[in-house]
Amino acid sequence: EALLVESGGTLVQPGRSLRLSCAASGFLFDDYAMHWVRQAPGKGLEWVSGISWNSVTLVYADSVKGRFTISRDNAENSLYLQMNSLRPEDTALYYCAKGRRSGPNDPMDVWGQGTVVTVSS
Amino acid sequence: DIQMTQSPSSLSASVGDRVTITCRASQSINFFLSWYQQKPGKAPKLLIYAASTLERGVPSRFSGSGSGTDFTLTISSLQPEDFATYYCQQSYTAPSFGPGTKLDIK
Repeated sequence: EALLVESGGTLVQPGRSLRLSCAASGFLFDDYAMHWVRQAPGKGLEWVSGISWNSVTLVYADSVKGRFTISRDNAENSLYLQMNSLRPEDTALYYCAKGRRSGPNDPMDVWGQGTVVTVSS
Repeated sequence: DIQMTQSPSSLSASVGDRVTITCRASQSINFFLSWYQQKPGKAPKLLIYAASTLERGVPSRFSGSGSGTDFTLTISSLQPEDFATYYCQQSYTAPSFGPGTKLDIK
């Protein structure tokens, strides 16, 4: 069974950095694109970033472009999100999600349970 | 960027009802449209992709249709476990979600 487990979320001050991790198991990690999706408290889903199976294609939402960097380590079955210059509006539950195929523009068929990031002074 | 809208934003219905939710894209997305279900405190679940293809394990009472800019999700006979929030998502370009439709019990 495919499983995704996020970690790294915490309370952080505005302007600081944070790195989220996602550990994958139960599927051939390097065959699939991966994504980060966030959900602010009481709000809807917002796609944040996606990465192709081979890390060649990286895509970002305009709201995080230039501040966040997605990466993956296929040898470690892990996905990462480096978040810099954090803002209060980045406060959310961050989900790691598996793409149905190898490209970053495919739907997401497996989701983790999320890790909470709170940006506040 | 492609903007997604959904209607209605909320909907009250009864067990056994037939329900339809509409999703519209700001430009043509061909058939690159997915539907997700999210229950409170849970991660989203993929229901339908490519506008009308049912994800494995999803009950056949769920169906999707549409292409271009206009899409629908239909639940043919509501079950108690179907009360949730539903999101559409386009994957024609960098993904984006609709604002969601909250389906609750009348």
